[in-house]
Amino acid sequence: QTVVTQEPSLTVSPGGTVTLTCASSTGAVTSDYYPNWFQQKPGQAPRALIYSTSNKQSWTPARFSGSLLGGKAALTLSGVQPEDEADYYCLLHYGGAQPHLVFGGGTKLTVL
Amino acid sequence: QVQLQESGPGLVKPSETLSLTCAVSGYSISNGYYGGWIRQPPGKGLEWIGSIYHSGSTYYNPSLRSRVTISVDTSKNQFSLKLTSVTAADTAVYYCARDTGITLGGTIDYWGQGALVTVSS
Repeated sequence: QTVVTQEPSLTVSPGGTVTLTCASSTGAVTSDYYPNWFQQKPGQAPRALIYSTSNKQSWTPARFSGSLLGGKAALTLSGVQPEDEADYYCLLHYGGAQPHLVFGGGTKLTVL
Repeated sequence: QVQLQESGPGLVKPSETLSLTCAVSGYSISNGYYGGWIRQPPGKGLEWIGSIYHSGSTYYNPSLRSRVTISVDTSKNQFSLKLTSVTAADTAVYYCARDTGITLGGTIDYWGQGALVTVSS
């Protein structure tokens, strides 16, 4: 059973910078895993932010960026706004004989 | 604009089959996209269930594969989910979404609003 791990919670001050990470139990995350990032606010459906490691959706604010960092996928928020307080989920693609997708457990980001 | 809308019973009895349909508007399923299902138990994280291509090719979460069937009806521009032998652990908000597949960027870009399905007698 593949497990994708994220920080359970992080806190950041308004205007600050924070990096969320996404690790795979199978080893280092590479671009071959097509890392995705999603934002979810209470009572809402998830909203896609980043795909294929670092590509932004057309509606993704410029302060969000994706990368690979130390064998993990990473989402960096620069100049955090109060409205960025939300749950963030990563998603990895696994290939092989039975391709499948796995979400991380999510990071609750508090802006304080 | 792209919209997806889930529909189906909100209450299912234990051991029975959960059935949901996703109606798609704003694009044609036949245009190379997948339809995906994702669920979220109350207060918990997201779990990918599976996806289907317009040709009917499917790929499923290994942990749910024995109970899941996803089908597509291109003439109605919709796709459906069936989950058999449900238990209380299957209680969740079920989302349908557009999955582009890795050849189109590997993203799940548009989501439905979600449908809460409760498993209870």
